Amino acid sequence: EAGVAQSPRYKIIEKRQSVAFWCNPISGHATLYWYQQILGQGPKLLIQFQNNGVVDDSQLPKDRFSAERLKGVDSTLKIQPAKLEDSAVYLCASSPGTSGSQETQYFGPGTRLLVL
Amino acid sequence: GDSVTQMEGPVTLSEEAFLTINCTYTATGYPSLFWYVQYPGEGLQLLLKATKADDKGSNKGFEATYRKETTSFHLEKGSVQVSDSAVYFCARAYTGRRALTFGSGTRLQVQP
Repeated sequence: EAGVAQSPRYKIIEKRQSVAFWCNPISGHATLYWYQQILGQGPKLLIQFQNNGVVDDSQLPKDRFSAERLKGVDSTLKIQPAKLEDSAVYLCASSPGTSGSQETQYFGPGTRLLVL
Repeated sequence: GDSVTQMEGPVTLSEEAFLTINCTYTATGYPSLFWYVQYPGEGLQLLLKATKADDKGSNKGFEATYRKETTSFHLEKGSVQVSDSAVYFCARAYTGRRALTFGSGTRLQVQP
């Protein structure tokens, strides 16, 4: 079974530029998550999708971050314009979406973003 | 609020030593509790989990028991190996929600 795919793996941009990250979850997984992991910290949820609807985006900085999940499968996370404090690893995860809070999440390798 | 607190690292042990990594959580509702591990150069992966009080999760020689009375979920292993060197994250999920709240992670270094 293929895992969660993310691209690109690394990205370096200047502040005020825009950037987009892509995620392909495990086939058949209804729930998709984007987490932000700043160096030395644990991942923090940015947004959670159930199929193509948003379940939780309370911690997404909506003035600069946006995300969509096309047809309930792939997802794109965008930052526009980027700030220095956005430097982090952006993790995508997916889960089947059928088993409640005990459900295992499967993580992709992450995209490491550096904003200069 | 919703939080998970882990002991700070790095934790440095010799091979075959006993490992404990402490984790406590805020007692809001009845969360599911998880340990995830991140090996060097790899993504996060589930190590073990427990979904209700007194449950014990176990995998690859690691164990953790869901202690409601102390709101803890400490990770233990009786004899660590060099290959256990990684960053370990404790996490919780609210009842009815799947999104995880993570601790800050504990780096384990095992020396031969």
